[in-house]
Amino acid sequence: GESVGLHLPTLSVQEGDNSIINCAYSNSASDYFIWYKQESGKGPQFIIDIRSNMDKRQGQRVTVLLNKTVKHLSLQIAATQPGDSAVYFCAEKDTNAGKSTFGDGTTLTVKP
Amino acid sequence: ETGVTQSPTHLIKTRGQQVTLRCSSQSGHNTVSWYQQALGQGPQFIFQYYREEENGRGNFPPRFSGLQFPNYSSELNVNALELDDSALYLCASSSRLREEDTQYFGPGTRLTVL
Repeated sequence: GESVGLHLPTLSVQEGDNSIINCAYSNSASDYFIWYKQESGKGPQFIIDIRSNMDKRQGQRVTVLLNKTVKHLSLQIAATQPGDSAVYFCAEKDTNAGKSTFGDGTTLTVKP
Repeated sequence: ETGVTQSPTHLIKTRGQQVTLRCSSQSGHNTVSWYQQALGQGPQFIFQYYREEENGRGNFPPRFSGLQFPNYSSELNVNALELDDSALYLCASSSRLREEDTQYFGPGTRLTVL
């Protein structure tokens, strides 16, 4: 079956550094991917998405890279701030059923 | 804030009981999805409702059921509660106007089954 996983469960970075969070997926038919941020006590918050016909997409301080050859995507956060501390999930979406398959998350800790 | 609200915020039940969780979708959204998030894990898709009908279901038994109302709000019902049902239950609303409709999540209901 399909699965979406993240390489590392935790990541600690210094404030101001760039962060890279990685995700691997197994379903070759996946065509839409989303990154979410979840802070303690809150629901997941949409960060950025990318379709499989793109390799890169940029937002405000965030960039998502997609490598379909190795079924890997990453989230890059520039100039990481303390407010970026949270759990980050990648998800693959079945656009027909609306089902999003989530990985288990990477906990990002930003040290001052 | 996403505009998606859920009630109650916390709930404690005992094994065998039944529970109803509620979700109000963001204005203009006609689709609601429900997820179960166990501690330390990612959300797991339960089912989705679109125009008051179930439209897609994950690997959850029939004792997990739902409803969507004409105003697009939704309920998740769980019968015969088991200890493993303890989790954060999230609802997410979206609009079917675009293929890649962004899902907006509510804060969740924390269910504890004793």
